[in-house]
Amino acid sequence: AQSVTQPDIHITVSEGASLELRCNYSYGATPYLFWYVQSPGQGLQLLLKYFSGDTLVQGIKGFEAEFKRSQSSFNLRKPSVHWSDAAEYFCAVEQAGTALIFGKGTTLSVSS
Amino acid sequence: DTAVSQTPKYLVTQMGNDKSIKCEQNLGHDTMYWYKQDSKKFLKIMFSYNNKELIINETVPNRFSPKSPDKAHLNLHINSLELGDSAVYFCASSQADRAGYGYTFGSGTRLTVV
Repeated sequence: AQSVTQPDIHITVSEGASLELRCNYSYGATPYLFWYVQSPGQGLQLLLKYFSGDTLVQGIKGFEAEFKRSQSSFNLRKPSVHWSDAAEYFCAVEQAGTALIFGKGTTLSVSS
Repeated sequence: DTAVSQTPKYLVTQMGNDKSIKCEQNLGHDTMYWYKQDSKKFLKIMFSYNNKELIINETVPNRFSPKSPDKAHLNLHINSLELGDSAVYFCASSQADRAGYGYTFGSGTRLTVV
C-alpha cells in the first residue's frame, strides 16, 4: 500500500533562513505528489504539485519542491522564510482511483 | 465565491446526539470527499463520492452516513455521537479525470462532543 512519510514532526527556522521539509513516499510507480499548507484554524491550501515533466516544481508563496525518483522523495524548500510561513505542512500522494493520502505533517515554527 | 463551503464551522454537542455537516462545491467537480483530522492533525480519508455514487468507504463506524443528493453536495450525518468523534472534518472536491491536479478543501468543521 502506498504511504507518505514526513520524518520531521516539528521544525523551527529563523526568519530569513532557508527551509527544507522532507517527504518520502512508498509507491510502485510515480505517483502524483502534493504539498499542502494549513494555517492555524484554517483549511488546506495547495502549495504545489508534481505529476510529470520537470522534477523541480514551483508553487505559491515562493515555495518549490524537487521530485527525486531514486530517493522516493519530494522535499519542499523555500530560500527565505517569513514569519507568516509558520503553519502545518502536509505532503500527500495520489494514485489514480484512490483518494489523496497524507503524511502526518510537519509543524513549522519561525523565530525572530 | 467560496469554492468548497462547509457548514457549520463549529459544532459542539453532547454524547448520544445526532448531527449533520453540510458541504457544497461550486467548482463543477464530479468527486467529493470527507476527511477526518484528529487531535494529532493526521488527515484520514473517510468517504468519497463520484457523481453521487459512493466509491470509497474506509473503515468508519456505520454511525457515519454520507449522503450526496447531487454532485455538488456531500453531507455527513453522524448518529449517536461519541467523545472520540471529536475532530475537524474536512470536505474536498476534485475532478476524476484530472488526477494530479489536487483537491480543493473546505475550511473544516470542528466537532466537539462533550
